[in-house]
Amino acid sequence: DSGVTQTPKHLITATGQRVTLRCSPRSGDLSVYWYQQSLDQGLQFLIQYYNGEERAKGNILERFSAQQFPDLHSELNLSSLELGDSALYFCASSLEGEFLNEQFFGPGTRLTVL
Amino acid sequence: GENVEQHPSTLSVQEGDSAVIKCTYSDSASNYFPWYKQELGKGPQLIIDIRSNVGEKKDQRIAVTLNKTAKHFSLHITETQPEDSAVYFCAASKGFSGGYNKLIFGAGTRLAVHP
Repeated sequence: DSGVTQTPKHLITATGQRVTLRCSPRSGDLSVYWYQQSLDQGLQFLIQYYNGEERAKGNILERFSAQQFPDLHSELNLSSLELGDSALYFCASSLEGEFLNEQFFGPGTRLTVL
Repeated sequence: GENVEQHPSTLSVQEGDSAVIKCTYSDSASNYFPWYKQELGKGPQLIIDIRSNVGEKKDQRIAVTLNKTAKHFSLHITETQPEDSAVYFCAASKGFSGGYNKLIFGAGTRLAVHP
């Protein structure tokens, strides 16, 4: 158990809908990273928050957004869903001190868009 | 751009043999190289990592080597066991302090250890 929690575990929805994925980092970790894992694209970095502020963006679609709250949990919002958004979504957390940048992954949310 | 290539994509070994997975990174500024093991239905689990100021690191049956000049790093698993069967991912990041450490992942290696 990495200490990172994600809810829900599974999500099934229809095209055009909006969903919210939730992540709670390990106690004390300041950073949350979101990654998408699909069969054809592998593990792709989406976005990172550090202590409430956005720090880096990867190949994240404009239909997707995220935020990190004062208690450091994070939410990934996916809107106007398309079939191709079906994937596993992982969050990872990290302390982010010098030489302390290991990322620990949660169990993931499996999103199925029908 | 940033890219990590990983080989082989699949690897099948007999129990007790060694397994080697190789990765090449493109960004010379990368300085942190973790390896993750992902079992079916689970999230990636960090198993070992190496930083650019170190050439080799060992943890029991697992070792990682880094060649900065060639921009190669490798995972070595000795005395493989059936429970080592999983998908292994290498990754690279620039490892800046203060939170700029996005991971660029390789495509993964599916390791099967046969009893």
